Amino acid sequence: AQTVTQSQPEMSVQEAETVTLSCTYDTSESDYYLFWYKQPPSRQMILVIRQEAYKQQNATENRFSVNFQKAAKSFSLKISDSQLGDAAMYFCAYRRDNQGGKLIFGQGTELSVKP
Amino acid sequence: GAGVSQSPRYKVAKRGQDVALRCDPISGHVSLFWYQQALGQGPEFLTYFQNEAQLDKSGLPSDRFFAERPEGSVSTLKIQRTQQEDSAVYLCASSRRQGKAYEQYFGPGTRLTVT
Repeated sequence: AQTVTQSQPEMSVQEAETVTLSCTYDTSESDYYLFWYKQPPSRQMILVIRQEAYKQQNATENRFSVNFQKAAKSFSLKISDSQLGDAAMYFCAYRRDNQGGKLIFGQGTELSVKP
Repeated sequence: GAGVSQSPRYKVAKRGQDVALRCDPISGHVSLFWYQQALGQGPEFLTYFQNEAQLDKSGLPSDRFFAERPEGSVSTLKIQRTQQEDSAVYLCASSRRQGKAYEQYFGPGTRLTVT
C-alpha cells in the first residue's frame, strides 16, 4: 500500500523568508501524481501545486516550487517570500494514475508565519 | 460558478443516532469523493463515485457507513448508529473527470461531533 509521510508536524517562518516543507512517500508504481494542498483554518482544502511523476522538471507556481526526487521518493515544497496568508496546514498527497483519483494524504505540517 | 458545498457545516449527534451529510458538487463534475479527517490528521479516503456508480468504497470503516449519489449529482453520506470514533470532519471533493491531472475541488466539510 502506498503511504505518505510528513515528518514535520510544525514549521515556522519569518515573513518574506523562505521555508521548505518535507514529504516522503512509498510506492512501487512508476506512474503517479503528487500534490501539495493548503488547508487554512476555514477548512477549505486548496490545491497549491502538482507534479506528474513522469516529468523530471520540478513544478513551480509563483512563490511555490517543489523539489521532486523520484529515486529517493521525496517531494518537498518550497515557499519563497512567505506571506502572512501562507499560514495554514499543508498536506502532501499521492495519487496513483489508475485508481480513479483517490488521494492518499500525509499527516500534515502546520506552518506559522511570523510578522 | 459555485464551488463544492456541504451541509450541514456542523452536526452534533448523540451516540446511536443516524446522521446524513450532504454534498453538492460543482455542476458537471463527474467524479465525487468522500474523505474523513480526524482532528490533527490528514484526510482519509472513504468512497468514490463516477456519475451515479460507486466505484470504490474500500475506505468505508464499517457497514454503518453508506453513501449514495442516485442521480449522479448530489451525494449523501449516511452514518447509522453513530459512535464517538465517528467524530471527524467529513470532506467532499469533486472533479471534472477521473484520473490524470484533473484537480479535485474540496468543499468546506461537515464537522460531526458524537456525544
